[in-house]
Amino acid sequence: DQQVKQNSPSLSVQEGRISILNCDYTNSMFDYFLWYKKYPAEGPTFLISISSIKDKNEDGRFTVFLNKSAKHLSLHIVPSQPGDSAVYFCAASVKTSYDKVIFGPGTSLSVIP
Amino acid sequence: DTGVSQDPRHKITKRGQNVTFRCDPISEHNRLYWYRQTLGQGPEFLTYFQNEAQLEKSRLLSDRFSAERPKGSFSTLEIQRTEQGDSAMYLCASTRQGRETQYFGPGTRLLVL
Repeated sequence: DQQVKQNSPSLSVQEGRISILNCDYTNSMFDYFLWYKKYPAEGPTFLISISSIKDKNEDGRFTVFLNKSAKHLSLHIVPSQPGDSAVYFCAASVKTSYDKVIFGPGTSLSVIP
Repeated sequence: DTGVSQDPRHKITKRGQNVTFRCDPISEHNRLYWYRQTLGQGPEFLTYFQNEAQLEKSRLLSDRFSAERPKGSFSTLEIQRTEQGDSAMYLCASTRQGRETQYFGPGTRLLVL
């Protein structure tokens, strides 16, 4: 049973436009959400996070929105740049003593110059 | 460079052989995680250490897998009698207790022939 879902395996966006990556989760106990970016042959790199007590967090070109009632979050990248081309993983955790993180399957973003 | 390091980066082995991977976390991080990632999937949790104690193991971690963190610093992941299904990227991550963001190493890509 996949607790974190990213239903779009891939997304293509023109440079300068907005990229919107979506994520849905099933476990209502999740209270912390993260986005990681992964380039080929590298490990995932932390991008941005949001606690369940917030509905928006912004960091430069990256904004994460959380809709707890819909169990849905999204990552907005604006403006998109070719260097943003990577696989983006949505992840979620429960504030247990060890903060185990559950990852989604990822969305491959291509930003076309 | 004080990031998470993993060794080797690539490993090709024949079915039935044993392999061992090493992870060196960020020095002040007391929590260490191992994940496995296969094509088209996000990282899947394998096991977790807090200092030298292994506190949780996923059911994905069969009895052919063993992990250690003897002095609470580096960790090793051993796979005995490798099978072709073990072919994957093995990722290590670390964090400080109470901090939700995990920092990943570059991974060890295993190919079992």
